[in-house]
Amino acid sequence: EVQLVESGGDLVQPGGSLRLSCAASGFTFSTYSMMWVRQAPGKGLEWVSYISRSSITIHYADSVKGRFTISRDNAKNSLFLQMSNLRDEDTAVYYCVREYIDYFDYWGQGTLVTVSS
Amino acid sequence: DIQMTQSPSSVSASVGDTVTITCRASQSISSWLAWYQQKPGKAPKLLIYGASSLQSGVPSRFSGSGSGTDFSLTISSLQPEDFATYYCQQANNFPRTFGQGTKVEIK
Repeated sequence: EVQLVESGGDLVQPGGSLRLSCAASGFTFSTYSMMWVRQAPGKGLEWVSYISRSSITIHYADSVKGRFTISRDNAKNSLFLQMSNLRDEDTAVYYCVREYIDYFDYWGQGTLVTVSS
Repeated sequence: DIQMTQSPSSVSASVGDTVTITCRASQSISSWLAWYQQKPGKAPKLLIYGASSLQSGVPSRFSGSGSGTDFSLTISSLQPEDFATYYCQQANNFPRTFGQGTKVEIK
């Protein structure tokens, strides 16, 4: 069974940093591209970042470019999102998502990041 | 960036009704479109990919159509478990973008 389990969400002050992790299991992690998608409270879905299977190709949403860094460790079946210079508008549930032929076929349950003073 | 516009924003329907949600892309995305269902407090679930291909395990009352810029999701014979919010998403290029969502509510 495919499982994606996020962790690392917390309350952080504006300007602070946080690192999210996603533990993958039930599939061969190294053969799938992965993404982060977020959802602000009561709002819609926003794609955040993409990383290819071997980490060669990486993309970011303009809203997080220069502040967030996506990475992965295929040996440990893990995906990460290093977030810095956090803003109020980064408050959201962050989902770890598997990509299958360009679509998001499996989602984790999400981890809540709250940016507030 | 490709803008995705869904309509309506919400729809009230009864069990057994047929509901159609539309999604328009700001430029052609061929058939690179997916539909997701999200229930409160839960992660989204992939329903349709490639504009019209049904994801494994998804009931056949869900169907998708369209290409280019105009797409639709149809739910035939609405069931109680179908009341949720639905999002379209383009996979033609980066950044991946979603529609604003359509909430299907019980009449």
